[in-house]
Amino acid sequence: DAGVIQSPRHEVTEMGQEVTLRCKPISGHDYLFWYRQTMMRGLELLIYFNNNVPIDDSGMPEDRFSAKMPNASFSTLKIQPSEPRDSAVYFCASSYLTSGRETQYFGPGTRLLVL
Amino acid sequence: AQTVTQSQPEMSVQEAETVTLSCTYDTSESDYYLFWYKQPPSRQMILVIRQEAYKQQNATENRFSVNFQKAAKSFSLKISDSQLGDAAMYFCAYRGAGGTSYGKLTFGQGTILTVHP
Repeated sequence: DAGVIQSPRHEVTEMGQEVTLRCKPISGHDYLFWYRQTMMRGLELLIYFNNNVPIDDSGMPEDRFSAKMPNASFSTLKIQPSEPRDSAVYFCASSYLTSGRETQYFGPGTRLLVL
Repeated sequence: AQTVTQSQPEMSVQEAETVTLSCTYDTSESDYYLFWYKQPPSRQMILVIRQEAYKQQNATENRFSVNFQKAAKSFSLKISDSQLGDAAMYFCAYRGAGGTSYGKLTFGQGTILTVHP
């Protein structure tokens, strides 16, 4: 398996622009997670899905952030409008719930810079 | 809410020596999982080792082992025979086994490990 795939790997945009991050989870996994990593706040869970349904979005910082999972093999995280404080590395992770063996596998991350 | 604390921002070790990274956590749950992830300069998050709270036996994976002290809520990582490739940021993480925290990983602040040749 190719692992969790994220695109783009790097994104540079200007303040006010819309940014869309993409994720393809590992085939067969039923949980998908979006994390953000910054120097100030470390690794934070933004939102996660179970069988394409959002379960907990309490980590989403504000209404400018939205996430969707239209099918089991694709998810997006959108920021509109983007701000410089959104600059961070965004990770997508997926897992498969089997009793006692659930482990999250992370994608390579998207490094976002908002100017 | 669960919290994870790594009190060592930085650690260093000589190649071939042993180093221990500390982690403590706070939870009211009785069933949970603990993890150590490694993040090299590439930023990729790599699972190093995991521990189920219901298991008394400490997990081991080759040169990596943990000292899990449930009563003390302590979960340290020991790296034996350190190699240059072990240099990375190491994160301790907690995941509840049920309830509202199910599926959510809570991370510590990380420990930067430097390996000297």
